[in-house]
Amino acid sequence: DVKVTQSSRYLVKRTGEKVFLECVQDMDHENMFWYRQDPGLGLRLIYFSYDVKMKEKGDIPEGYSVSREKKERFSLILESASTNQTSMYLCATKPATGRNTEAFFGQGTRLTVV
Amino acid sequence: AQSVTQPDIHITVSEGASLELRCNYSYGATPYLFWYVQSPGQGLQLLLKYFSGDTLVQGIKGFEAEFKRSQSSFNLRKPSVHWSDAAEYFCAVGSTASKLTFGTGTRLQVTL
Repeated sequence: DVKVTQSSRYLVKRTGEKVFLECVQDMDHENMFWYRQDPGLGLRLIYFSYDVKMKEKGDIPEGYSVSREKKERFSLILESASTNQTSMYLCATKPATGRNTEAFFGQGTRLTVV
Repeated sequence: AQSVTQPDIHITVSEGASLELRCNYSYGATPYLFWYVQSPGQGLQLLLKYFSGDTLVQGIKGFEAEFKRSQSSFNLRKPSVHWSDAAEYFCAVGSTASKLTFGTGTRLQVTL
């Protein structure tokens, strides 16, 4: 089975802190994604990566950056956390380029910024 | 640009009753469609997917969905709901560059 592991289930950070959310997959998937989930808004794509050191902005990249130094790891960085970044963050992977492959999700990280 | 609409934010059904969750999509080419389920505190799990061929697709946990191109719809159905089906359900379309575009979700509550 594909396993997508997010480093924390729950995280509480202070406004202005630099926050790292980590995601690791144990399969050889090229594509990795970070989504943000908010009530009534569904899942919105923040950033995605289709290869090591490659990244592309999603629909809501403002206030975020990402890093992919190794194929199995994709990090989401909040340079200076703000209260409006309090949310559930979901990492996902896909095994190949193309629209017809399913995504596999991690358990999510619920981030609270106080 | 692609989009997915789930018009029902919240649905309540009795255990044993039938269920239909609505999904409408907008996509310029042949759509690749997915239904995911999210149980409380969990990530998303794939229920079923449609790429081509038979427009009625079967998924896990007794769910099925029907693709109707003329209505741009991909509604999810289950003949008899179980209390364990209470969750949030997301419809998604596979868009360019391997991305998935999701709807806003439908929260299902099951009464006993």
